[in-house]
Amino acid sequence: QVQHVQSGAEVKGPGASVKVSCKASGYIFTNYAIHWVRQAPGQRLEWMGWITGGNGDTTYSQKFQGRVSMTRDTSAGTAYMELRSLASEDTAVYYCAKDGGGLQSWGQGTLVTVSS
Amino acid sequence: DIVLTQTPLSLSVTPGQAASISCKSGQSLLHSDGETQLSWYLQKPGQPPQLLIFGVSNRFSGVPDRFSVSGSGTDFTLKISRVEAEDVAVYYCMQSLHVPFTFGQGTRLEI
Repeated sequence: QVQHVQSGAEVKGPGASVKVSCKASGYIFTNYAIHWVRQAPGQRLEWMGWITGGNGDTTYSQKFQGRVSMTRDTSAGTAYMELRSLASEDTAVYYCAKDGGGLQSWGQGTLVTVSS
Repeated sequence: DIVLTQTPLSLSVTPGQAASISCKSGQSLLHSDGETQLSWYLQKPGQPPQLLIFGVSNRFSGVPDRFSVSGSGTDFTLKISRVEAEDVAVYYCMQSLHVPFTFGQGTRLEI
């Protein structure tokens, strides 16, 4: 079955970077884009951007432009999201999800805590 | 950014009763290809969101037909015809017509 397994929780200091992975299985990885969405405590879901499956083109929310990079390793069936210059407001659960008519089959989420 | 406004923010329903959640968009969500770029999700406590319905009328695999969406353009309604205990969750609408994709603020369904 379609599944996305994300990397474990991270604790980072202000100004640091974090890289979250999302390993896909159960479908042809290169046929679908992967979206990244985050959820800060008590807040609504926030879309960060996506990376296409075929050629790896990326589209980012302007809010994160210049601070986020989404990449993928097709041989490993894994997508990555790196967020730089972390601040306390970046404390959130980060999710990946497969595109395909809505955001399907979300990963379990990765808690990133930014604290000094 | 397209703003999505959900009402109510919380809803308490007796099992077996119907429930409705409204999602209003600041702009039409109708794509030039004729598809409406709106989808609905539920998020149970401690779990990631799950896709319910996309493109207004397309239920995702395994979603019971108790869930349906009506509306067009800027106004949409998610209806649960007979609420069950397992439906306790926060429900979100999301637009994917314009970048950045945006979500409503969520509606908490309680029983």
